Amino acid sequence: EVQLVESGGGLVQPGGSLRLSCAASGSTFSSHWMHWVRQAPGKGLVWVSCINVDGSTTRYADSAKGRFTISRDNAKNTLYLQMNSLRAEDTAVYYCAKAGGGSGMGFDPWGQGTLVTVSS
Amino acid sequence: QSALTQPRSVSGSPGQSVTISCTGTSSDVGGFNYVSWYQQHPGKAPKVMIDDVTKRPSGVPDRFSGSKSGNTASLTISGLQAEDEADYYCCSYAGSDSSWVFGGGTKVTVL
Repeated sequence: EVQLVESGGGLVQPGGSLRLSCAASGSTFSSHWMHWVRQAPGKGLVWVSCINVDGSTTRYADSAKGRFTISRDNAKNTLYLQMNSLRAEDTAVYYCAKAGGGSGMGFDPWGQGTLVTVSS
Repeated sequence: QSALTQPRSVSGSPGQSVTISCTGTSSDVGGFNYVSWYQQHPGKAPKVMIDDVTKRPSGVPDRFSGSKSGNTASLTISGLQAEDEADYYCCSYAGSDSSWVFGGGTKVTVL
């Protein structure tokens, strides 16, 4: 089974940038769509972005459009999220998740998450 | 895209059944059979409990079941156990423009 480990979170000033990584174990990474989902402190889950198996198709939530870029390197079994023009409201734990379920329309498994704090 | 509507909390005694509703629209819950449910314990990552409305992944106890009627999906936990106390989130595919939308979450308390 694929295991996912996020990294790259931290404290960044408003307007700054950060790149998150999600390292996947196992040989099936390149066969699955991948997602980023975030959770602000004490709040619910919010879908952020997804990418298809070869990186040719990407989708974003309205809150991420124009500021975030999802990408993947199948040779390195790694998913990325480049976040620019960060705002206080982007403060959250960011989870990567593999498309899962019989239809591939759910999220399974999830990584442990990485915390992004946007503050001056 | 608005979040799906879930009750903020539900509770039950051990052994009882509880049901969590998840109400959306014909553009998400009602339009696709792609509703999934996630359990999240404090400080932990979410874990899938149900996907594709009714399918229970391997390893998930059979006391968890899912259903859908119109624009409302439901998660039922039968024979409630102490370890079921957690937050539960529904999620639905909402088409290529809106992609995926989550509910606000429901806290399940085992009395």
